[in-house]
Amino acid sequence: AQKVTQAQTEISVVEKEDVTLDCVYETRDTTYYLFWYKQPPSGELVFLIRRNSFDEQNEISGRYSWNFQKSTSSFNFTITASQVVDSAVYFCARGGSNYKLTFGKGTLLTVNP
Amino acid sequence: NAGVMQNPRHLVRRRGQEARLRCSPMKGHSHVYWYRQLPEEGLKFMVYLQKENIIDESGMPKERFSAEFPKEGPSILRIQQVVRGDSAAYFCASSPPELGEQFFGPGTRLTVL
Repeated sequence: AQKVTQAQTEISVVEKEDVTLDCVYETRDTTYYLFWYKQPPSGELVFLIRRNSFDEQNEISGRYSWNFQKSTSSFNFTITASQVVDSAVYFCARGGSNYKLTFGKGTLLTVNP
Repeated sequence: NAGVMQNPRHLVRRRGQEARLRCSPMKGHSHVYWYRQLPEEGLKFMVYLQKENIIDESGMPKERFSAEFPKEGPSILRIQQVVRGDSAAYFCASSPPELGEQFFGPGTRLTVL
């Protein structure tokens, strides 16, 4: 199976710290997509970003940034100046030539005031 | 344009009862996917349906689980004779006819007593 690995099970930071969530994926597809989702305590899945495999440009959206490195099969997510409202479980996922999304097990981020 | 809708949001069943989970895709979307999230786990693909067709049910348990997406009405995930191990969050996603990004519903949290 082509796995998505989020090695960090839990991360705890203090407000205003920067934090990076790691994601490493396996794929045999030439074209694939990478995603990050946020799952707050309320339980819904909030879409954050989708990246195509042929676009390795890093992306910044406000306090969020993503670093896509094909050479290391990684798609890491950084939150700058973290806030308490960032506390959630964050999932990395991969989609390939088929329709199935493969999710990592998630990283629980706790931002303490 | 309303998002993907799922109901009920919470469902409690006793062992041996049936559970029916409903998913209404976004307007214009003809593809529906069901994922299951067990406690402390990421989401796992269960089944992919188009109108009146099951395309891929490779992630569905072989017994007691079934899914449909009729010509009219929502997609239904049905679990017969529920057991405690079925307790999980069940997420539905939909995508447009040209496939691409999957949009997730808020999930149904099933608790089996």
